[in-house]
Amino acid sequence: DADVTQTPRNRITKTGKRIMLECSQTKGHDRMYWYRQDPGLGLRLIYYSFDVKDINKGEISDGYSVSRQAQAKFSLSLESAIPNQTALYFCATSDPSAAANYGYTFGSGTRLTVV
Amino acid sequence: QKEVEQNSGPLSVPEGAIASLNCTYSDRGSQSFFWYRQYSGKSPELIMSIYSNGDKEDGRFTAQLNKASQYVSLLIRDSQPSDSATYLCAVNVGAAGNKLTFGGGTRVLVKP
Repeated sequence: DADVTQTPRNRITKTGKRIMLECSQTKGHDRMYWYRQDPGLGLRLIYYSFDVKDINKGEISDGYSVSRQAQAKFSLSLESAIPNQTALYFCATSDPSAAANYGYTFGSGTRLTVV
Repeated sequence: QKEVEQNSGPLSVPEGAIASLNCTYSDRGSQSFFWYRQYSGKSPELIMSIYSNGDKEDGRFTAQLNKASQYVSLLIRDSQPSDSATYLCAVNVGAAGNKLTFGGGTRVLVKP
């Protein structure tokens, strides 16, 4: 099994619908992140969490919310999806004791299309 | 000014040549720097990390860091068609650390 698992892998949804993207990890890492990727824009941080009780907004949090249900689970919700939220979404984890050298572990991504 | 900047490319190099990628960053407090490779539709994979000025070599890859000039570069020697991908520069910014800011990526095309 993958260390960081994202579900679903692909999703098409309609404008105005609520949708949840899920991320679970077996790395035992405290720190988890949600990024979105658009062509030419690299990865932009949506939300991050350094432990279960710690949730922080990233640079593009508007229109999104998150829930850290457990150390291993971090979900991203789009309350009312809009077409410009069409993107590739990545979940990532890191170990603070090793992060300086090892960066992140990424999930396989969720390709979301809002029509 | 974006926090982390890269030339979007594409950078076209013949097979066997050296590919040279550059990245500049704005936060002088940045401590750790990473290069990720990303194939189309796939997740980024870490290929190099560097946190001290100078060069760091790993196989065909060399990362170079110059904190005074605020740039980090990646050299790919003996480029292979399998190196064709987008390369993302990432910088660990902020006092709390461990929150990566990514550049937009440089697309590399290695032609046989």
